[in-house]
Amino acid sequence: EDKVVQSPLSLVVHEGDTVTLNCSYEVTNFRSLLWYKQEKKAPTFLFMLTSSGIEKKSGRLSSILDKKELFSILNITATQTGDSAVYLCAARGGGAQKLVFGQGTRLTINP
Amino acid sequence: DTEVTQTPKHLVMGMTNKKSLKCEQHMGHRAMYWYKQKAKKPPELMFVYSYEKLSINESVPSRFSPECPNSSLLNLHLHALQPEDSALYLCASSHPHGWSGSSYEQYFGPGTRLTVT
Repeated sequence: EDKVVQSPLSLVVHEGDTVTLNCSYEVTNFRSLLWYKQEKKAPTFLFMLTSSGIEKKSGRLSSILDKKELFSILNITATQTGDSAVYLCAARGGGAQKLVFGQGTRLTINP
Repeated sequence: DTEVTQTPKHLVMGMTNKKSLKCEQHMGHRAMYWYKQKAKKPPELMFVYSYEKLSINESVPSRFSPECPNSSLLNLHLHALQPEDSALYLCASSHPHGWSGSSYEQYFGPGTRLTVT
């Protein structure tokens, strides 16, 4: 059965800290891995990763995929209180439209 | 424009009511999805439509009935729901499997928070 596991499940840090969120996956015919940020309502798209070793960056956020070890990390540098959210990792397998979501990491940034 | 809209934002219904949730996107996506999300849990896939045809039904009870009238619209008809069906219902859209480009990311609407009493 396809599975995505995120760690830690919960993380509390101070503003300005750097955090690393982890995501491991076991998905048949893996195609891509996606990261979303969810605050109160809809998940908002952050990154889609399809190739190993190529870092994707957007401002203070960056992510990388390792297809050999079947994991991805999401880094956030110089965290701000607005980064507080649940970060969801999802893997897409081939031949289907399904995304398999991890449980999410609840990130809290204290001022 | 990466917006998916959903109506209503909130819905309270009794177990004997019939109601519908609506979703709309104008990104030219030909795949649309319904997810159910309970508190502090990730979204769970319910249905997938690809080119307006139902392609995945994740063994969802028949009291949930999806409909895709055209490429921009997705409905979820609700009838005889149970209190445990109370959740946030999310709609999403993406390019479909087999599309010639490389962007398959799903864009989510704001959700409908459903309470069944």
